[in-house]
Amino acid sequence: KAGVTQTPRYLIKTRGQQVTLSCSPISGHRSVSWYQQTPGQGLQFLFEYFSETQRNKGNFPGRFSGRQFSNSRSEMNVSTLELGDSALYLCASSLAAGIQYGDTQYFGPGTRLTVL
Amino acid sequence: GENVEQHPSTLSVQEGDSAVIKCTYSDSASNYFPWYKQELGKRPQLIIDIRSNVGEKKDQRIAVTLNKTAKHFSLHITETQPEDSAVYFCAASIAKGANSKLTFGKGITLSVRP
Repeated sequence: KAGVTQTPRYLIKTRGQQVTLSCSPISGHRSVSWYQQTPGQGLQFLFEYFSETQRNKGNFPGRFSGRQFSNSRSEMNVSTLELGDSALYLCASSLAAGIQYGDTQYFGPGTRLTVL
Repeated sequence: GENVEQHPSTLSVQEGDSAVIKCTYSDSASNYFPWYKQELGKRPQLIIDIRSNVGEKKDQRIAVTLNKTAKHFSLHITETQPEDSAVYFCAASIAKGANSKLTFGKGITLSVRP
C-alpha cells in the first residue's frame, strides 16, 4: 500500500499570505490528523478529521483551519501567515477510530513551510 | 490539558549497551501510549505502543513499560546499534469524545556511539 503523501514538500511564503497544504491518507484510512513540528515545541496537535467532520481540535488560533473530502483527502489552511508559523507540518492517517480509540497513526513526510 | 514530558532530552550510549527513555504524563485518563522514532529528515514512525490495560510490551530489542500509578512509561532498547540513533517521541492519548487528542513529548535525541 502506498503511504501517506503530502504536497507540496516545501513552501516559502511571506507574512500576511495564506497557504493550503494537502494530505492524502493511506487507502482505506478515514481519519486524518494534522501536527505542527518545530524545534522548540516538538509535535503539536492541530486537529483531526473523520468522515469530512472535524472531530478533535488542538490549541491553535482560528487562522489554522482544515477540511476533509469524501475520499478522505484533507487540506489544511493557514491564513494571515506569521513568522512563527514556520514549521514542518505533518499529517497522519489512521484506519477509522483515530485518536479517540488509540488507532495507530501513520505519518506523511511533511510540508516544510518557511514564512519570510 | 495533558502534559507529556520526556527525560533526558539527549542520551548517548555505546553500541551494544541498553538505552532507557522515560516519559511522564499528567492526565490519569490517558489510555494509549505510542512511541515514535524520527530519523533525520524523515517522518515519525511508530515503533511500539502500549495501552493502559497492559503493563509491559516487547518487540525484539524494544520494550515499553507503563506505571499507571506513577503516571510514567519508559522505552527500553537493548543491544543498541548505530541505526538506533534518532529522535524518539513518546505520546499519550486521551479518549474524551470531542476533546480527544494525542499529546507528544518534546523528543529525545539518542546517539549510539560505534
